[in-house]
Amino acid sequence: SAVISQKPSRDICQRGTSLTIQCQVDSQVTMMFWYRQQPGQSLTLIATANQGSEATYESGFVIDKFPISRPNLTFSTLTVSNMSPEDSSIYLCSVDDAADPEAFFGQGTRLTVV
Amino acid sequence: LAKTTQPISMDSYEGQEVNITCSHNNIATNDYITWYQQFPSQGPRFIIQGYKTKVTNEVASLFIPADRKSSTLSLPRVSLSDTAVYYCLVGVVLDSSYKLIFGSGTRLLVRP
Repeated sequence: SAVISQKPSRDICQRGTSLTIQCQVDSQVTMMFWYRQQPGQSLTLIATANQGSEATYESGFVIDKFPISRPNLTFSTLTVSNMSPEDSSIYLCSVDDAADPEAFFGQGTRLTVV
Repeated sequence: LAKTTQPISMDSYEGQEVNITCSHNNIATNDYITWYQQFPSQGPRFIIQGYKTKVTNEVASLFIPADRKSSTLSLPRVSLSDTAVYYCLVGVVLDSSYKLIFGSGTRLLVRP
């Protein structure tokens, strides 16, 4: 199993600023994903973080707004750029590895934009 | 776009069995089906996982038909503490890309 450390756990940010969320895994994993969960909604996939190349974004999400880095097989960051109150959500990273079919999740980051 | 659908909500009473079904038409051939429980302000918590037929653990059973286009989470004898949102999670392949997609979530309310 993988242990994921995600931080910050929560933050309150001013509109127009940016926040970078970090996801650190205790082992090398093949796949890393970033999700958003808006209040009362299901978890929506933002993008797949690809090691050594640009992330693959889902419809409705763009790199300029949610730049993602994945410099190695254990670490990824998601930045929420030029924030507005509509970006207030929980953001979760998840990892999935071919050697273990279970997906694992970070603790989540609760973002409030004021 | 892959759709993974679940009933929006379900009501039950303590001690009853609850069955929640998830439809996942685009599931990847070799991928597992996983169910999670989520309480307010917390991340998803793993409940059970299966590939096909039936899987049972200490908290739930998972029924998967042969075509694997759906799955049913069965919670025996629910208690008040089982009130939560339940999600299925499956891997799908779209445009040659593998993605993990959550179901829409089922809000279970257990009444005394």
